[in-house]
This record gives sequence, structure tokens and C-alpha cells, in this order.
Amino acid sequence: AQSVTQLDSHVSVSEGTPVLLRCNYSSSYSPSLFWYVQHPNKGLQLLLKYTSAATLVKGINGFEAEFKKSETSFHLTKPSAHMSDAAEYFCVVSVPDSNYQLIWGAGTKLIIKP
Amino acid sequence: EPEVTQTPSHQVTQMGQEVILRCVPISNHLYFYWYRQILGQKVEFLVSFYNNEISEKSEIFDDQFSVERPDGSNFTLKIRSTKLEDSAMYFCASSERAERYYEQYFGPGTRLTVT
Repeated sequence: AQSVTQLDSHVSVSEGTPVLLRCNYSSSYSPSLFWYVQHPNKGLQLLLKYTSAATLVKGINGFEAEFKKSETSFHLTKPSAHMSDAAEYFCVVSVPDSNYQLIWGAGTKLIIKP
Repeated sequence: EPEVTQTPSHQVTQMGQEVILRCVPISNHLYFYWYRQILGQKVEFLVSFYNNEISEKSEIFDDQFSVERPDGSNFTLKIRSTKLEDSAMYFCASSERAERYYEQYFGPGTRLTVT
């Protein structure tokens, strides 16, 4: 069965410092993994996706994620946080034998301190 | 850039009433989905729809729920007799294909409040 665990419900960083949002997955298959972001009162926007072409994936707004099969992790990072990064971030795995429905992590709320 | 749209943005209804949530997926997409997010909880899959029929549904998607694509552009979710626990944000999504690495594009959501 597919599942996703986001290890932190809240992460608070100062503006200009690095961001690390942690995600571990469980999958019977070679996984399809995504990070989505939800800004306050907005919809869900794709940040990046793992396509197996490269283990280090670059997304929008300076975010990256590294796929580590040995650790079953897909952590999201950004070198320098910006106030506009304050949002909720979701790690997501898709289920290949169910029309690729998405299984969601619980979300991590990123708080940026000035 | 094409986007998924949803109406209304907020719907308030009384318990026992029927509601219809509307979505317009991206025009060349073939796969459609509904998800919901109860306040403070995970986003949950409800149903997927392809070729004018349901392809997968979750345990949440019971007989009170139905979906249809009435006119080739809209994709609707109907809740026949709403309950308090149906209060949630409902997201529609569409995808060009149901294959690995094809992302789903989400609408802004409809916040449903059942009183």
C-alpha cells in the first residue's frame, strides 16, 4: 500500500535561512512523488515532481527535492526562505493501480519569521 | 495558462439539502478527480472519472455522492442530502493522462459549510 508521512506539522524558519520539509513514503511500486503547495485561501499548486530522470528535482520558486530510495525519502529544500514561501506544503504519492489517485501527507505548515 | 475553475468558491447549506459543486477542467484533459479536505485533516481522494464513468471511488464516496459530466466541459459533484460532516473544502482536479508522472491540476476549491 502507498502512504506518505510528513514528519513535521509545522516548521518555522527565519527569512533568508534554509528550509527543510521532510517526507517519507511507502510504496509497493517505484513511486511517483510530488510536492504541492497551498497558500492561504488559495488552491493546490504543483511545486515539483519526481520522474526518475534524476534524483535531484528542481521546482518552482527555488525549491528542490531529493529522492533517496535507500531512505524512502523525498525531502523538500530551499537555500534561502522568503516571506512569500509561508504556506502549507504537501508531499504526495500517486497510486498506479487506481488511476493514479493521489495519496496525501498531512501537510507541513511553513512559517517564515522576519 | 489553462487552469481548472470551480464554482462557487463558498457554499453554505442546511443539513439534508442537496448541493452541486461545479468544476471546469482543463479542456484537453481526460481524467477528472474530486478530493476533499476537512479542516485540519489530510486531503482525501473521493472519486476519479474517465470516459463518462467512475473509474475509482473511495469509501467516503457513498450513495449520497454522485458525479457527472453533463455537457463535455463541466464536471459536477452532487451531494444528495448533506450532513454536518460533509463540511470541507472540495477540490476538483484534472489530468491529461492517468500515467506515471502526469500531474493533476487543481482548482481553487469550494468551501462547503453545512449548518
